[in-house]
Amino acid sequence: DAGVTQSPTHLIKTRGQQVTLRCSPKSGHDTVSWYQQALGQGPQFIFQYYEEEERQRGNFPDRFSGHQFPNYSSELNVNALLLGDSALYLCASSLLLVTDTQYFGPGTRLTVL
Amino acid sequence: AQKVTQAQTEISVVEKEDVTLDCVYETRDTTYYLFWYKQPPSGELVFLIRRNSFDEQNEISGRYSWNFQKSTSSFNFTITASQVVDSAVYFCALSAAGTASKLTFGTGTRLQVTL
Repeated sequence: DAGVTQSPTHLIKTRGQQVTLRCSPKSGHDTVSWYQQALGQGPQFIFQYYEEEERQRGNFPDRFSGHQFPNYSSELNVNALLLGDSALYLCASSLLLVTDTQYFGPGTRLTVL
Repeated sequence: AQKVTQAQTEISVVEKEDVTLDCVYETRDTTYYLFWYKQPPSGELVFLIRRNSFDEQNEISGRYSWNFQKSTSSFNFTITASQVVDSAVYFCALSAAGTASKLTFGTGTRLQVTL
């Protein structure tokens, strides 16, 4: 039973660039949520996708956008990167109509220079 | 608005000691879920437990136990006979009841277990 996978593991970008992070949900899950975790902090909710649509959104600017594909995998895109975007980006998957438990992937460590 | 407070930033114990991690939450929802996750150095958040707001029974799973007290808005986590492998950052989280609602996390408690 494959868990949540994320790619890449690490990424280094410079200010102003754009980045795309990828997530494949746990087998059988249909909902993907993205979280940003700054160093020493708890994860902060970015947004959630279900049926290829954004279902919920946290307090993040429009520079953060996402997408969900028919196979339930998801991408997180961040435009015009700022130094403050440096963080661990976590993807979580769940089964919308069955459980409220979200299972997390290993994360992508983004460093913006 | 929802809020989770984990006042203990870091705890250090010697192996085999018992340790309790505190979690206090705020919510206006009448039904909600509480969670504990473990984050080892690898970074992945590992799900430990989910508790429904209408179920105040305490739960025990091996060396882990959880004490949910609605009257004090607390959901504390105790590790009995701690082991070095328990060293990690532990997060308490809250979500509104409903399907796959967003999680609101505390700032975490770093547990260091030494020999």
